[in-house]
Amino acid sequence: QKEVEQDPGPLSVPEGAIVSLNCTYSNSAFQYFMWYRQYSRKGPELLMYTYSSGNKEDGRFTAQVDKSSKYISLFIRDSQPSDSATYLCAMSPYGGATNKLIFGTGTLLAVQP
Amino acid sequence: GAVVSQHPSWVICKSGTSVKIECRSLDFQATTMFWYRQFPKQSLMLMATSNEGSKATYEQGVEKDKFLINHASLTLSTLTVTSAHPEDSSFYICSPGMDYGYTFGSGTRLTVV
Repeated sequence: QKEVEQDPGPLSVPEGAIVSLNCTYSNSAFQYFMWYRQYSRKGPELLMYTYSSGNKEDGRFTAQVDKSSKYISLFIRDSQPSDSATYLCAMSPYGGATNKLIFGTGTLLAVQP
Repeated sequence: GAVVSQHPSWVICKSGTSVKIECRSLDFQATTMFWYRQFPKQSLMLMATSNEGSKATYEQGVEKDKFLINHASLTLSTLTVTSAHPEDSSFYICSPGMDYGYTFGSGTRLTVV
């Protein structure tokens, strides 16, 4: 079993839709949770970063962490064609410069105009 | 925010040759740099961690003699793929880690023919 599971998609939605992206994980030691957006042949861009359980909102993006269920989500409101990309979840068991990130395989999202 | 400059963005090389990839921290000094690899349709996987002034540490299964990592200064970390083979074709990317916002370089697409 992989430490982090993510539905690879592809996920296709119409412009303006609410998008829900999810990851599950097995390691209860994970404390830091990130969502990245990656355009084709580019490096990942950090969208959201949360610590432990709870919600965090930034513009059209909302990240949720449920540690009891080992489940994290990213919601995108009013989705735009420019949101079309691969979305990666990542997590880490502890902070500091010596940590390493465990990534999901990414979900390919296509927002249709 | 922390900016990491990675070069080259893409490279094609012949089997058996060596390729050097550079990551430079432009507006900060990094004592540590994390090197990841991403094969098509797979998640980013940590390969190794470079440390300024000391030897790099490698993840299990990564050949240290094949992937030479050097952290020459607080602003430069390099990854050299020696005697590259087609199976080394991948997307290589660096990150300075949590202390610098979990940012990533733009990545290097390596194709070995």
